Amino acid sequence: AQKVTQAQTEISVVEKEDVTLDCVYETRDTTYYLFWYKQPPSGELVFLIRRNSFDEQNEISGRYSWNFQKSTSSFNFTITASQVVDSAVYFCALSASNRDDKIIFGKGTRLHILP
Amino acid sequence: GAGVSQSPRYKVAKRGQDVALRCDPISGHVSLFWYQQALGQGPEFLTYFQNEAQLDKSGLPSDRFFAERPEGSVSTLKIQRTQQEDSAVYLCASSFGRDGNTIYFGEGSWLTVV
Repeated sequence: AQKVTQAQTEISVVEKEDVTLDCVYETRDTTYYLFWYKQPPSGELVFLIRRNSFDEQNEISGRYSWNFQKSTSSFNFTITASQVVDSAVYFCALSASNRDDKIIFGKGTRLHILP
Repeated sequence: GAGVSQSPRYKVAKRGQDVALRCDPISGHVSLFWYQQALGQGPEFLTYFQNEAQLDKSGLPSDRFFAERPEGSVSTLKIQRTQQEDSAVYLCASSFGRDGNTIYFGEGSWLTVV
């Protein structure tokens, strides 16, 4: 069975602080994909990143960075120098590549960036 | 537009009423998904199409829920005899197909059953 756990329900930080959103996953598949999506108040899920299970290189995109560690089944997301516009709900998700690409989502972390 | 388009954006239905939610995927996308997102929760998978074939409907919560994609493009999610617990955002998503291709979501249809 596949499962994604985001233990942090809600986080509040002051603008310009760094913040890390945790994600732990479970799967029996040897090949899989991990995702992060952002959901602003408008409701649309905005794609942020996709990682293949064979690629454990960390990735940085501007103020965003992702730390994928297969040994601990974690795929954490860090926002550096947070801004108010980063306020949203963030979802970590998982899909297996040897079947259809159905995505299983975590319950999300609501991030508040305080001015 | 270039994204996944859903309509209506907002729907208020009286309990017992039937509703139909429409999804227009990104042109050329083979795969189409429906998700249900209750307030404060993550999206939950409902059903999946590859072209016009419904390959997985394991997430549909009851036989009141029905989805179709007759020509492999536009899809409709129909909910019969709506109940209050059906109140949620219904998200449609599409992708080019297998191997973890990025799935793009629409803005959702917000359904409130009163």
